[in-house]
Amino acid sequence: DVKVTQSSRYLVKRTGEKVFLECVQDMDHENMFWYRQDPGLGLRLIYFSYDVKMKEKGDIPEGYSVSREKKERFSLILESASTNQTSMYLCASSRGKNYGYTFGSGTRLTVV
Amino acid sequence: GNSVTQMEGPVTLSEEAFLTINCTYTATGYPSLFWYVQYPGEGLQLLLKATKADDKGSNKGFEATYRKETTSFHLEKGSVQVSDSAVYFCALPERGGTSYGKLTFGQGTILTVHP
Repeated sequence: DVKVTQSSRYLVKRTGEKVFLECVQDMDHENMFWYRQDPGLGLRLIYFSYDVKMKEKGDIPEGYSVSREKKERFSLILESASTNQTSMYLCASSRGKNYGYTFGSGTRLTVV
Repeated sequence: GNSVTQMEGPVTLSEEAFLTINCTYTATGYPSLFWYVQYPGEGLQLLLKATKADDKGSNKGFEATYRKETTSFHLEKGSVQVSDSAVYFCALPERGGTSYGKLTFGQGTILTVHP
């Protein structure tokens, strides 16, 4: 069964910490995405990557960076966590246009 | 660009009731259309898809028909169960050859089914 695996289901971090959220897919997909989901705001795209070492900003990249050193792994980095980054983070991968996404189970991050 | 408008919720139904969640879209050409479901505390899962006009996607008793005349992809189920309680998202690909498979999502519809 094809999978997108997010390393943590729940995380609690302190304000100012550097936070790494990891996502691994086993489908050899070129494209990977990071979203955050907040009540009333739907899904908002943070960053995406269309190849190793290639990335593009999404709609809300401020305060985040990403890394894609290997095709199967796409990491989201919160450089200095803040309380307004408390959210559900969703990783997804895609084979391409018209194929849709496969999502991970999500990481619920709380910044205190 | 491509966009999707989804029925606002929340929707509350009794078990065995009929469900419709409306989704209309604006798109160039005839892209694939998707419904995703998110159960509490989980990520999104693909529920069904349709790849061309007049296609019907179906899964787990849910159905949606790709209607180009009305630019709609409404989700239906004849008899809902408590276990169908979830958030449902309609989605389609962004416009453009370099979209890299990015999807545009509706805002989500919360469905609650009571016994």
